[in-house]
Amino acid sequence: QSVLTQPPSVSGAPGQRVTLSCTGSTSNIGAGYDVHWYRQLPGTAPKLLVYGHNNRPSGVPDRFSGSKSATSASLVISGLQAEDEADYYCHSYDNNMSGSVFGGGTKLTVL
Amino acid sequence: QVRLHQWGAGLLKPSETLSLTCAVYGGSVSGYYWSWIRQAPGKGLEWIGEINHGGNTNYNPSLKSRVTLSVGTANNHFSLRLTSVTAADTAVYYCASLVSVGYYFDLWAQGTLVTVSS
Repeated sequence: QSVLTQPPSVSGAPGQRVTLSCTGSTSNIGAGYDVHWYRQLPGTAPKLLVYGHNNRPSGVPDRFSGSKSATSASLVISGLQAEDEADYYCHSYDNNMSGSVFGGGTKLTVL
Repeated sequence: QVRLHQWGAGLLKPSETLSLTCAVYGGSVSGYYWSWIRQAPGKGLEWIGEINHGGNTNYNPSLKSRVTLSVGTANNHFSLRLTSVTAADTAVYYCASLVSVGYYFDLWAQGTLVTVSS
C-alpha cells in the first residue's frame, strides 16, 4: 500500500490529453511539500520528468506539465504520443516517514 | 556530466547481507545527498534511505533496523548494506542523487536485481 495513491492505469489516443492523478495527505502533499514525477520505461531506471512547480529537466518537452492543489497533484500530458507509453510515478516528502514517499505508479497506454 | 554506476551481488540466500556500491563519475559525492530506492518485481518504488557527504542519514522506518548507508569521499562512492535478507527483499535496487532543495531525485543509476532464494 503506497502512501501516495495513483490510479493503476490510464489510456488515451494519440494526440489526446491525459491527466494522471496523485493523492496524498496532510503529512506530505498537504503539508506543502513539492510533488515530482518520474517516467519508467520497461526494464529501465525511472527518469525525472517534472519537478517542483512545473519544472522540467533539459530535454523534457513542455507537453508534460505538473500541478498541485491541497493534498493532490496531477501530471498532464498533452499531444499524446506512442513513446509516452510507460509507467509514471509521483513522489513527495512525508513528515511521518521523515523521507520520501512514492505513488504506486500509473501505467499509461497509448491506444 | 554526472553519471552513477552501481554494482553488487545479485543472488543471496536468506539471512545473508545485501551489499551494493554506487560510484559517482563526473562529479563529487561532497555537497550532495545520495539515496537508495528499490522496486520489487511488478511493484512500485520504495525509498530505503539517504545519506549526505558528511554521513548524516535518514532511513525508511520499516527498514531502519537492518539498513546501513555509508559514503566514501576518498573514492567518490556510497554504499548500501541490508542485513538478514528474506525473499521479501527481492527487488531491483537503484542508487540516485537527491537534490535537497526541492527534494527530488535528478539522476538514477542503472539498477541491480537482487534475488533472495535458498
